[in-house]
Amino acid sequence: SYELTQPPSVSVSPGQTARITCSGDALPKQYAYWYQQKPGQAPVLVIYKDSERPSGIPERFSGSSSGTTVTLTISGVQAEDEADYYCQSADSSGTRVFGGGTKLTVL
Amino acid sequence: QVQLQESGPGLVKPSQTLSLTCTVSGGSISSGGYYWSWIRQHPGKGLEWIGYIYYSGSTYYNPSLKSRVTISVDTSKNQFSLKLSSVTAADTAVYYCARDIPEGYFDYWGQGTLVTVSS
Repeated sequence: SYELTQPPSVSVSPGQTARITCSGDALPKQYAYWYQQKPGQAPVLVIYKDSERPSGIPERFSGSSSGTTVTLTISGVQAEDEADYYCQSADSSGTRVFGGGTKLTVL
Repeated sequence: QVQLQESGPGLVKPSQTLSLTCTVSGGSISSGGYYWSWIRQHPGKGLEWIGYIYYSGSTYYNPSLKSRVTISVDTSKNQFSLKLSSVTAADTAVYYCARDIPEGYFDYWGQGTLVTVSS
C-alpha cells in the first residue's frame, strides 16, 4: 500500500523557519495536502495542491514540491504554531493516505 | 460556512457494529460536487481514511477496512452514516466526518467523536 513518510518531530525557536518534509513515491504525480492539528481539535487544512494556501491561513505557511518529497515551511514560527502536522495525498485509485504526522515543538 | 457534526454511541461492545451519523449544515449534500468522508484517529496516533460517499450513493472504501465498512447517505436529512462491523479494541478511535474535495483532500471537518470498544 502507498505510504507517506514524515519525520516524527521537528523543533524550532520562535521566529525561526520550520520545515517539515513528506516523502512518497506517487508525489511527483499526485498533489499533497497539509493539515495542522492542535490537541483535542480536528485537523485544519493549511496547504492544498502542494503549495496553495486556503483563505484565512497565515502567509507564513507555504508548501513546495520536488520529486518524491513535499515540504511544509512555516516562516517566522510563533508559539501558536506548535501542533501536529500531517501530509496527505491520494494514490492512483483514489485512496486517501496520510503521513504519520510530525510534532512541531516551538522551543 | 459548512459545518459537520458527528453523533452516535461512545461505547460499543466487541464483535458488535459501530454506527455513527454525520449531520451537515450550511450546505446540501445533494448539490453534488463533493464526496463525504469518514476518517479516524487512534488515541495518540495518526489519521486513517475510512471511505467516502457521493450524494448518489456511490462509495469508495479504504481497502484495509473495506470488508467491514458501510457508508450510506440520507439526502433528505442531509446526513451520511458509517457502519463498521465486528469491532475490536483496535477500532477504538476518534471518528471524524469531513467534506472531501474530489481532487483528494478535506476542507471541512467535524469536531470528532470518541468511540471506545470495550465490554
